[in-house]
Amino acid sequence: GAGVSQSPSNKVTEKGKDVELRCDPISGHTALYWYRQRLGQGLEFLIYFQGNSAPDKSGLPSDRFSAERTGESVSTLTIQRTQQEDSAVYLCASSLARVRVSGYTFGSGTRLTVV
Amino acid sequence: GNSVTQMEGPVTLSEEAFLTINCTYTATGYPSLFWYVQYPGEGLQLLLKATKADDKGSNKGFEATYRKETTSFHLEKGSVQVSDSAVYFCALSDDYKLSFGAGTTVTVRA
Repeated sequence: GAGVSQSPSNKVTEKGKDVELRCDPISGHTALYWYRQRLGQGLEFLIYFQGNSAPDKSGLPSDRFSAERTGESVSTLTIQRTQQEDSAVYLCASSLARVRVSGYTFGSGTRLTVV
Repeated sequence: GNSVTQMEGPVTLSEEAFLTINCTYTATGYPSLFWYVQYPGEGLQLLLKATKADDKGSNKGFEATYRKETTSFHLEKGSVQVSDSAVYFCALSDDYKLSFGAGTTVTVRA
């Protein structure tokens, strides 16, 4: 597609429920990233995909967080047993292989609120 | 590891004032440097970039020069407008990902 698409744009969930966040990157972008942005804070790296594999998942904060990517396209970030501290904007970005030249293109994010 | 330190905000300016947002970095090797902007209610957008020392990135009246000797990439604009009100993020690349600063909130008043 023309840009990075994320869905849903907003999600309110009850504490303890599982949520799935979706990212559809720009067609042809082999690299895909998930970041978390808590209110008033910077961007926290979560995971990096190259194709369908995740060579760097060092930023996932706990084993409640997981992500997958299929068909070198869509990615899903899953948060199990959500906690209030998971409330944040979750940002997806995609890039051509040489990120140091092109940088990222970000989606508009999913605002997750855990109540 | 790689890291970016940005000037803390918030910064409040009047229209047509000069804006500087300081950014310094720590990195091994020779990273590329970026500024991203996040307007209210929108996602992050690439504002400008520089891929090697002494390069100057520019866009929308903003400029930043990659200074290896001072490990800096300060963002400047000579005359800001109300529409420049946003959060600005400095970032650097390693081999495959970007590391971001904490962001600086800029408010421009008419």
